[in-house]
Amino acid sequence: SQQGEEDPQALSIQEGENATMNCSYKTSINNLQWYRQNSGRGLVHLILIRSNEREKHSGRLRVTLDTSKKSSSLLITASRAADTASYFCATARNNAGNMLTFGGGTRLMVKP
Amino acid sequence: ETGVTQSPTHLIKTRGQQVTLRCSSQSGHNTVSWYQQALGQGPQFIFQYYREEENGRGNFPPRFSGLQFPNYSSELNVNALELDDSALYLCASSLKGSTEAFFGQGTRLTVV
Repeated sequence: SQQGEEDPQALSIQEGENATMNCSYKTSINNLQWYRQNSGRGLVHLILIRSNEREKHSGRLRVTLDTSKKSSSLLITASRAADTASYFCATARNNAGNMLTFGGGTRLMVKP
Repeated sequence: ETGVTQSPTHLIKTRGQQVTLRCSSQSGHNTVSWYQQALGQGPQFIFQYYREEENGRGNFPPRFSGLQFPNYSSELNVNALELDDSALYLCASSLKGSTEAFFGQGTRLTVV
């Protein structure tokens, strides 16, 4: 079963706009990670946010975490056509954090 | 490139057959995890291997089995293939205790 559920399932925006994706999860977590996948190939780790953090930035990415609502959001600012991909949130099944439970993903299309 | 390589990239098998998928870990990574990703869905955790032993397992039947070798490379074996086994199979390597997983490009298995 999916631990996280992303919303929306699909998002289409113009280049230069911001893209916001949301993730909800069910159980308590140590951390939450976001991954990107191009065209159904391998996943690339984007950013990790720990349960005691509320916000984290990496370049054009901003991630927030609300443990009281069991939700996270990923914001991509000033989007580019190259950001077109599927984005997944993932929580860990183990303390080490590398047995991952993924959500269903948000498919982002950025139009030039 | 993550340094994790999977082979083959594509494979077509007949229902009832057996299949072996292979994964070479990133150098120095001693933990390998396997995931199944059906079309349009997020990856599902199959199992993880550490030091040649299964270290955790998701909700998959025993006909899904694996091996890890002394050089940390790994195999995923699936017996008695079913049509629903058609999916992208992803391998991820990591260091024991590390939260970040590095994914290969996957093997696309089609069962006909």
